[in-house]
Amino acid sequence: IAGITQAPTSQILAAGRRMTLRCTQDMRHNAMYWYRQDLGLGLRLIHYSNTAGTTGKGEVPDGYSVSRANTDDFPLTLASAVPSQTSVYFCASSDSGDHDTGELFFGEGSRLTVL
Amino acid sequence: GQNIDQPTEMTATEGAIVQINCTYQTSGFNGLFWYQQHAGEAPTFLSYNVLDGLEEKGRFSSFLSRSKGYSYLLLKELQMKDSASYLCAVVDSNYQLIWGAGTKLIIKP
Repeated sequence: IAGITQAPTSQILAAGRRMTLRCTQDMRHNAMYWYRQDLGLGLRLIHYSNTAGTTGKGEVPDGYSVSRANTDDFPLTLASAVPSQTSVYFCASSDSGDHDTGELFFGEGSRLTVL
Repeated sequence: GQNIDQPTEMTATEGAIVQINCTYQTSGFNGLFWYQQHAGEAPTFLSYNVLDGLEEKGRFSSFLSRSKGYSYLLLKELQMKDSASYLCAVVDSNYQLIWGAGTKLIIKP
């Protein structure tokens, strides 16, 4: 089934540990995004990539890094996790050439708890 | 600053009609999206408006007034499966997507 796959689905992590959330899409979309979703707040953009080989910072990039070595994969890394990074993380992709003007397709989310 | 306002929660009855409002103040406007998100699931696309007026798609319709900074999502013939959060998002002049916090819709039998 075509779409976006995220892993892990859920993870409990000790503060200070390094963690990588994986995201893979098979729709050949140019643009990919990482959002976090917290109760009472709208989706907040962490990082994005308009095409393979390029990345950009979103609204809340601190403490996170990304890479886009190819079209399909867009991993998100927390170098040293902190409790405020407890959230649900969504990876998304878009066929649009312009940042965020096309319909977004979301993965199922990764629920991360940092203790 | 940029702001998207939606009601936090609404309740409606199965079979009825409900209107979910979204008002926005953004630096420019390049379109407005509505997404549906069931609890514990990913958001899914419902509609996109860039011109003023009403877009109808089955039981769901979305309206936009750019001069008023206002949109609504209209859901007709409500079904229990329509219980979900509805997210409004605006594309600003820099093509950044600004998200509202979402409206949780509860459908009662």
